[in-house]
Amino acid sequence: DGGITQSPKYLFRKEGQNVTLSCEQNLNHDAMYWYRQDPGQGLRLIYYSQIVNDFQKGDIAEGYSVSREKKESFPLTVTSAQKNPTAFYLCASSIRPGVGEQYFGPGTRLTVT
Amino acid sequence: GNSVTQMEGPVTLSEEAFLTINCTYTATGYPSLFWYVQYPGEGLQLLLKATKADDKGSNKGFEATYRKETTSFHLEKGSVQVSDSAVYFCALSEHNNAGNMLTFGGGTRLMVKP
Repeated sequence: DGGITQSPKYLFRKEGQNVTLSCEQNLNHDAMYWYRQDPGQGLRLIYYSQIVNDFQKGDIAEGYSVSREKKESFPLTVTSAQKNPTAFYLCASSIRPGVGEQYFGPGTRLTVT
Repeated sequence: GNSVTQMEGPVTLSEEAFLTINCTYTATGYPSLFWYVQYPGEGLQLLLKATKADDKGSNKGFEATYRKETTSFHLEKGSVQVSDSAVYFCALSEHNNAGNMLTFGGGTRLMVKP
């Protein structure tokens, strides 16, 4: 089955620690995206990547970093510089930039205390 | 810039009632329009889409028509079920130099009671 996997589903960290969220897709999509969702809110774009070894900042990139070393993988690191990291994080992909809809993973809920 | 406005929820209905969730948009060009659904604790699933004016997207009894003259893409279903309880997001996609960016509305929570 093709799809997007995110792990883990729940993640707990202490304040001041960096944490990396995993996102893998086997859809052979070129473009991948990271969104943040806060309770009762819509989605906000953190970073996106249109092709391997390239990525761009979205609307709320401060305190986050990404890498795109492989087509299938787009991990997101939440750094200690992110002021309010507790949120639900969603990864998505699309077949090519500018074409069609985005497909979403199941999400990772990060809680930082 | 682009924007999507949805009716605020929650929308509470009895089973078999008629559903309408309003969505209007602002875009500089000719976007594609989408409805996504999010069940509790899960990611978003594409529900339906329309890529040009007057197109009707439909899936699982849900429908939405791309109305360019009113810049709207309202979601409708003739008879809702308890299992339709979820959050619904309207979104638009317009290709630009940055690629295929989605702009989301704030989401509308639907609660269907037996």
